[in-house]
Amino acid sequence: QVQLVQSGAEVKRPGASVKVSCKASGYSFTGYFIHWVRQAPGQGLEWLGWINPNTGVTSYAYTQHFQGRVALTRDTSISTAFLDLTRLRSDDTAVYYCARDQGLLPAAIYAFDIWGQGTMVTVSS
Amino acid sequence: QSALTQPRSVSGSPGHSVTISCTGTSSDIGVYNYVSWYQQHPGKVPKVMIYDVNKRPSGVPDRFSGSKSGNTASLTISGLQAEDEADYYCCAYVGSFTLMFGGGTKLTVL
Repeated sequence: QVQLVQSGAEVKRPGASVKVSCKASGYSFTGYFIHWVRQAPGQGLEWLGWINPNTGVTSYAYTQHFQGRVALTRDTSISTAFLDLTRLRSDDTAVYYCARDQGLLPAAIYAFDIWGQGTMVTVSS
Repeated sequence: QSALTQPRSVSGSPGHSVTISCTGTSSDIGVYNYVSWYQQHPGKVPKVMIYDVNKRPSGVPDRFSGSKSGNTASLTISGLQAEDEADYYCCAYVGSFTLMFGGGTKLTVL
């Protein structure tokens, strides 16, 4: 079946980096944007960005909080998207989700129909 | 970019209807029809309920409907059921290939 499976929970020190993976199966990985969304404990959803797995083109949220710290990449040979977050801070503690765009490329719909199970990233000294 | 504003909480009795609003600006919701709504139960992954303002994915009950007027999008749930109690988030395209979520609304079924 169509699914996104993410890597396991991570615990990091402030200033470190984390790389979260999102493996797609059951559909053509290069046919749909992958978005990344995070949710801090007890807080709402926050959109981080998307990657076009076919071209590698990305778009990121215009949030000063993330400027230069987040990078989205993909490896089409293993149908996997990655989120890299550097210079971690305590307020980066959150569940990070990958989600598939509902629209078949080139027509993105900017809605998310398939979600990964989430990856808890804890930043603590 | 401005935030998308949702009420913090709404409530309704079983069988009744509730509407959750999502207010943006003339630069986002006011011009684009990429508005989606997500339901999230505690500890669960969000689920899309509405996309493209008013389209319902297969499997979503027709009690859920979406609309837009000016800079405000709305999610209406009719015939409220206990299982509808959850957090609801709007998400909109805000230009320059970027998206934004609203702050979320907690729905309580009385």
